[in-house]
Amino acid sequence: DGGITQSPKYLFRKEGQNVTLSCEQNLNHDAMYWYRQDPGQGLRLIYYSQIVNDFQKGDIAEGYSVSREKKESFPLTVTSAQKNPTAFYLCASSDTGYTEAFFGQGTRLTVV
Amino acid sequence: EDKVVQSPLSLVVHEGDTVTLNCSYEVTNFRSLLWYKQEKKAPTFLFMLTSSGIEKKSGRLSSILDKKELFSILNITATQTGDSAVYLCAVDSNYQLIWGAGTKLIIKP
Repeated sequence: DGGITQSPKYLFRKEGQNVTLSCEQNLNHDAMYWYRQDPGQGLRLIYYSQIVNDFQKGDIAEGYSVSREKKESFPLTVTSAQKNPTAFYLCASSDTGYTEAFFGQGTRLTVV
Repeated sequence: EDKVVQSPLSLVVHEGDTVTLNCSYEVTNFRSLLWYKQEKKAPTFLFMLTSSGIEKKSGRLSSILDKKELFSILNITATQTGDSAVYLCAVDSNYQLIWGAGTKLIIKP
């Protein structure tokens, strides 16, 4: 089935550790996005990529890093520099020029 | 600064009621407005609106856009408990989605 797969669903991290969230899509979409969602808030854009080997910072990129070495994959690393990383992280993809975004099931990250 | 504001933030109604959710926006380069439903995890797409005054309809859900007054409404008639969710509005401005905070809708049986 075509879709977006995020893993893991739940992730616990100790303070000071980096963690990487996986996002894979088989929809052949050029564009991929990472969002953060906190309780009672909408989605905030962390990073996005319109094409392989290229990505741009979103509104809240500080403390995060990404790579886009393959069209299908857009992993997000939450670094120790991110002061408040506990949140729900959503990955999405879309066709270039199309607005509609398709979402993965999300990863809930908790810092312990 | 681009912004999207949804109201109300939360709403509790009884099954069978009709609800109207609001989304207003101020963006630099409007391309489209989208509605999503988020039940537990991934938001699922409902509607995309680009033209004023043209209602989009899917079953008991409908939505319309007013580009002059810069808002959209999402209507749900004959609500069911399965409609309980967070409804998110997003506006495409320069190919970037600007998201509202969402309206949490709870349908009581």
